[in-house]
Amino acid sequence: AQTVTQSQPEMSVQEAETVTLSCTYDTSESNYYLFWYKQPPSRQMILVIRQEAYKQQNATENRFSVNFQKAAKSFSLKISDSQLGDTAMYFCAFMNLNSGYALNFGKGTSLLVTP
Amino acid sequence: ETGVTQSPTHLIKTRGQQVTLRCSSQSGHNTVSWYQQALGQGPQFIFQYYREEENGRGNFPPRFSGLQFPNYSSELNVNALELDDSALYLCASSTQFAELYGYTFGSGTRLTVV
Repeated sequence: AQTVTQSQPEMSVQEAETVTLSCTYDTSESNYYLFWYKQPPSRQMILVIRQEAYKQQNATENRFSVNFQKAAKSFSLKISDSQLGDTAMYFCAFMNLNSGYALNFGKGTSLLVTP
Repeated sequence: ETGVTQSPTHLIKTRGQQVTLRCSSQSGHNTVSWYQQALGQGPQFIFQYYREEENGRGNFPPRFSGLQFPNYSSELNVNALELDDSALYLCASSTQFAELYGYTFGSGTRLTVV
């Protein structure tokens, strides 16, 4: 079984600053994908960024980037130039293609962006 | 392009009752998954349907069942409701290439069992 750990229940950052959310996972598989999802108060999960395990290059989507350390099984999310609209729960998720396409989520990090 | 819609948005049921939750997939998606999100927790995978067949199931008892229809919409049925079934139920749809494009989630149904 795969486990996903987010060790920071809550974080706070000032507008325009940079923040990094941590995620570690445990797996013996080699073919997997990693995701960060954002869940604002509207409750809808929104895909922020994804990473293929076989790619060494870190994924980037505008202000969002990841630091993927495969050997350390670490997948952190960096948000640059934080905006008030980034306030939300952030979930790290793991998908192992050898056991279906289910997402295995961490418990989440609550991010508050302050003016 | 419409997203994933779920109904109802909120529901209150009594322990022992049965409930049906509904989900309309995003246009062009043929795979539907259901997740249970307890308060303060990450979503937990219940099951997934692809072309009307269940093709994956999480660690949930048989009283959690589902259907997918030819138009790829889906239902989640829960029998003999228990207090611990109180949660946000999320529906997510995708193409068969969920690993490439991720899932599109609905806003969920908040189920309260009293």
